[in-house]
Amino acid sequence: AQSVTQLGSHVSVSEGALVLLRCNYSSSVPPYLFWYVQYPNQGLQLLLKYTTGATLVKGINGFEAEFKKSETSFHLTKPSAHMSDAAEYFCAVQEYGNKLVFGAGTILRVKS
Amino acid sequence: EAGVAQSPRYKIIEKRQSVAFWCNPISGHATLYWYQQILGQGPKLLIQFQNNGVVDDSQLPKDRFSAERLKGVDSTLKIQPAKLEDSAVYLCASSPEQYRAPNYGYTFGSGTRLTVV
Repeated sequence: AQSVTQLGSHVSVSEGALVLLRCNYSSSVPPYLFWYVQYPNQGLQLLLKYTTGATLVKGINGFEAEFKKSETSFHLTKPSAHMSDAAEYFCAVQEYGNKLVFGAGTILRVKS
Repeated sequence: EAGVAQSPRYKIIEKRQSVAFWCNPISGHATLYWYQQILGQGPKLLIQFQNNGVVDDSQLPKDRFSAERLKGVDSTLKIQPAKLEDSAVYLCASSPEQYRAPNYGYTFGSGTRLTVV
């Protein structure tokens, strides 16, 4: 069965600092991987996704993630945090034709 | 393009009462999903429809939850009777069709926040 582990339920960074949100997955086959962001009282917005091809994926708002099969990881990074990045971030995995399975989420706090 | 519409945005009910949520997906999207997001957890799939047929309802508590998608367009999720542990945000999402979803992506609505007291 697929599962997703997000290390750290809360991450705090200073404005301008590197953002690193960790995601590890388990899947019996090469998966599709997603990062979503959720602002308070809003739905989930897709940041980026990996399906096939290049393992370094660029998304919206300056975020990127790298699929590392050997480490079963899909960590999300952004070189310089902005106050507007404060939100909750979810990593998700999907095997072909199967349902989307989410991690528990990481709340990102950006300090001024 | 209009997004996924959900209503109501908020609902407060007493335990043992019933409640219904409505979702209108993006026009033309064949697949519709209902997720339950409990505070502090990631969304969990409750039920998935392909057109008006159920693809996966393995995590739907069928003794109290029901869902339908008549005519393959909008959908209703009902809880009867509600329990305290049903307090959560209920998210609706849609995608063109199940097997194209990873490349196209899923579009989520803003959700309905249910509080059971």
